[in-house]
Amino acid sequence: LAKTTQPISMDSYEGQEVNITCSHNNIATNDYITWYQQFPSQGPRFIIQGYKTKVTNEVASLFIPADRKSSTLSLPRVSLSDTAVYYCLVGDKDYKLSFGAGTTVTVRA
Amino acid sequence: EAGVAQSPRYKIIEKRQSVAFWCNPISGHATLYWYQQILGQGPKLLIQFQNNGVVDDSQLPKDRFSAERLKGVDSTLKIQPAKLEDSAVYLCASSLALSDPYGYTFGSGTRLTVV
Repeated sequence: LAKTTQPISMDSYEGQEVNITCSHNNIATNDYITWYQQFPSQGPRFIIQGYKTKVTNEVASLFIPADRKSSTLSLPRVSLSDTAVYYCLVGDKDYKLSFGAGTTVTVRA
Repeated sequence: EAGVAQSPRYKIIEKRQSVAFWCNPISGHATLYWYQQILGQGPKLLIQFQNNGVVDDSQLPKDRFSAERLKGVDSTLKIQPAKLEDSAVYLCASSLALSDPYGYTFGSGTRLTVV
């Protein structure tokens, strides 16, 4: 299983951009990088997925450098409701998503 | 579309008792997963089904945990007998296929407390 490393926590303020970097040095050629968001008392929710370069949707952007050994989730102009745990996952050869401890993002007013 | 349904929402049992959780995935989703999430940790995969067949159950404590997915739709996860360390949230997720580009959809989970 591809192992990921991400910061334990990050603090931010409303309106700022939050960038969470995840390291995945042993990512396999066919692996995708997926980010999930989890609020208390809820299951994780899919945010974005990418393979290389940049992916953008209505919620976030995902930047993946050419070597794919890391990726950065960018949350533009966060609000209090973006306070959550964010997980970086890398799909292994059997596509079993393995969750690490995640990054707790706290947005303050 | 309807999401992944799980029941019950909460369950409190004494150790050595048995408990069962139910999951109804999104219609048409062939792949179903059960995860265990202990407080403060990320979800841990217990078992993965593709239709009604088990793809991976390597992290399922088979001496006390069992799961089935009859007819490739609903699934149940059972613990018998329960231990204190089984206290966790049990999450069910589903996806269209093993390599679903749109990711997994999770239910809200069942919070189990073993006393």
